[in-house]
Amino acid sequence: DAGITQSPRHKVTETGTPVTLRCHQTENHRYMYWYRQDPGHGLRLIHYSYGVKDTDKGEVSDGYSVSRSKTEDFLLTLESATSSQTSVYFCAISPAGNQPQHFGDGTRLSIL
Amino acid sequence: QQQVKQSPQSLIVQKGGISIINCAYENTAFDYFPWYQQFPGKGPALLIAIRPDVSEKKEGRFTISFNKSAKQFSLHIMDSQPGDSATYFCAASRYNQGGKLIFGQGTELSVKP
Repeated sequence: DAGITQSPRHKVTETGTPVTLRCHQTENHRYMYWYRQDPGHGLRLIHYSYGVKDTDKGEVSDGYSVSRSKTEDFLLTLESATSSQTSVYFCAISPAGNQPQHFGDGTRLSIL
Repeated sequence: QQQVKQSPQSLIVQKGGISIINCAYENTAFDYFPWYQQFPGKGPALLIAIRPDVSEKKEGRFTISFNKSAKQFSLHIMDSQPGDSATYFCAASRYNQGGKLIFGQGTELSVKP
């Protein structure tokens, strides 16, 4: 497996609380991505990063923010979690924007 | 707006049979088409990918067929095995768009022994 670690692997929290998910990579890849996976929707891109401090929005970015202060870590933050953000979140990495992406094993997030 | 449509949603195949999953896309600017395989509790894993300059790519028992004029591509799994039972996703992206993948809805494949 590509060196990708997502933490936590499971989290249950309440509506209105802030939540931060972490993606850590050991491959020194430039690109990192956050996706969410929901039944019937496949995976949808939330945000991605093309370098330290360089990020851009995906197709479902509302309610989410990201930060990348160093190459190996990409953080996804839900400022005020809502039940509609209950999902499985996947991080992916790639050496370049036109190269294959490799995924972590996901974080299952439940918001009650 | 669903830019990549995948079918069928679920598929049951006998061991040794051929599994076929289809995808259709809308954006003619897409130029990279990967297929991912996902087992329960795991992240998607890249299976095989194709670019629009070829009509077919084969890797072992897995083949992608690509029809640019019809804006369709498909995954064929020959000699399907129970170990192939998983969820399969097609995806598409544009070369100069930072690798932003647009995924299909997924197909749950079950191969019966």
